[in-house]
Amino acid sequence: GQQLNQSPQSMFIQEGEDVSMNCTSSSIFNTWLWYKQDPGEGPVLLIALYKAGELTSNGRLTAQFGITRKDSFLNISASIPSDVGIYFCAGPSGMNSGGSNYKLTFGKGTLLTVNP
Amino acid sequence: NAGVTQTPKFRILKIGQSMTLQCTQDMNHNYMYWYRQDPGMGLKLIYYSVGAGITDKGEVPNGYNVSRSTTEDFPLRLELAAPSQTSVYFCASSYGTHVDTQYFGPGTRLTVL
Repeated sequence: GQQLNQSPQSMFIQEGEDVSMNCTSSSIFNTWLWYKQDPGEGPVLLIALYKAGELTSNGRLTAQFGITRKDSFLNISASIPSDVGIYFCAGPSGMNSGGSNYKLTFGKGTLLTVNP
Repeated sequence: NAGVTQTPKFRILKIGQSMTLQCTQDMNHNYMYWYRQDPGMGLKLIYYSVGAGITDKGEVPNGYNVSRSTTEDFPLRLELAAPSQTSVYFCASSYGTHVDTQYFGPGTRLTVL
């Protein structure tokens, strides 16, 4: 099946630093999603990308849909302690017989720790 | 709206015991999902449902069963618990007609000893 590779696996940064993480796929994706999971909680959608080359921001977060459609990047600027958590990329697992594309494949996540 | 709720939050089972993890959503979503999350392994899809009365296997269905008698509820059943089923279980729901936001519950942490 499709696999998503996230890097780095973990990051330890100082408050105020910028963060970059990425996600690559062995196959082409037509949608990229970035989720954040706070400790002890379920994942929450941060950003959705639907077109190759698309660059989308959500506050201090910026994500890009790679031109090759096989990768995506997430940047966090001026990190703060509440940015701590696991960041997952996700993409559609494949088409169902009705033509919709609702199942997701998740990467293994990037664990972010922010030292105040 | 409460969103997606899951019960219990924590549970310890002995090998061979059975239990049902409850999941309810109040957003009138047609699509619901069960995932398990193991440390460092991301989320793996166990079962999903595209509407009441319809369920299908995901990536890791062995050892689990589901039912979907109503739009709101999607319980996950473990019949003979095994240590390999120690994990955190998340239920999610979505509108489902397109790759769309999946809304996740807070999770159930299950330990099988």
